Amino acid sequence: EAGVTQSPTHLIKTRGQQATLRCSPISGHTSVYWYQQALGLGLQFLLWYDEGEERNRGNFPPRFSGRQFPNYSSELNVNALELEDSALYLCASSLWVGGGYTFGSGTRLTVV
Amino acid sequence: GNSVTQMEGPVTLSEEAFLTINCTYTATGYPSLFWYVQYPGEGLQLLLKATKADDKGSNKGFEATYRKETTSFHLEKGSVQVSDSAVYFCALSEDTGANSKLTFGKGITLSVRP
Repeated sequence: EAGVTQSPTHLIKTRGQQATLRCSPISGHTSVYWYQQALGLGLQFLLWYDEGEERNRGNFPPRFSGRQFPNYSSELNVNALELEDSALYLCASSLWVGGGYTFGSGTRLTVV
Repeated sequence: GNSVTQMEGPVTLSEEAFLTINCTYTATGYPSLFWYVQYPGEGLQLLLKATKADDKGSNKGFEATYRKETTSFHLEKGSVQVSDSAVYFCALSEDTGANSKLTFGKGITLSVRP
């Protein structure tokens, strides 16, 4: 069974540009979660999608947005990139929260 | 709100030493508790979990017991190996509908010397 897959693995963008990160959950998982792991800040919850709807959002500005497609894959968009957006962005999927998440390997975003 | 507190790191041990990583939590209800591990350059992997008080999670020689009275979920291993060098995250979740998510501690880096 394929795990959670994220693309691209690495992404380099210039300040002010937009970045699009993609995630495919484990087959059968309907929930997708996005986390930001910035140096020294731990894992910060970004967004939760379930059944195509945004269910919960962390304390991030509106330029962080996303969506979930009918096949449950998800996209994270970051507009007007700032240097401090440089981080590892992790996607996870689950059937239900109490069962824990399965994480992908992440997308390393570097803003220069 | 919910929170997870992990002991300060990093931790450096010699191979075959005993490991304890402390984790305490604050939650309004009855959360499930998890330990995740992140090896260099990789995403997070679920190491073990416990879903109710007094449950013991175990995997790969690691153990943690859900202690409701002390709101703790300390991670232990009797004899660490160099391959255990990684970052360890304690986490909790509450299935509270719209607010459901995993809340993580800050993580602790473990380095094991040969």
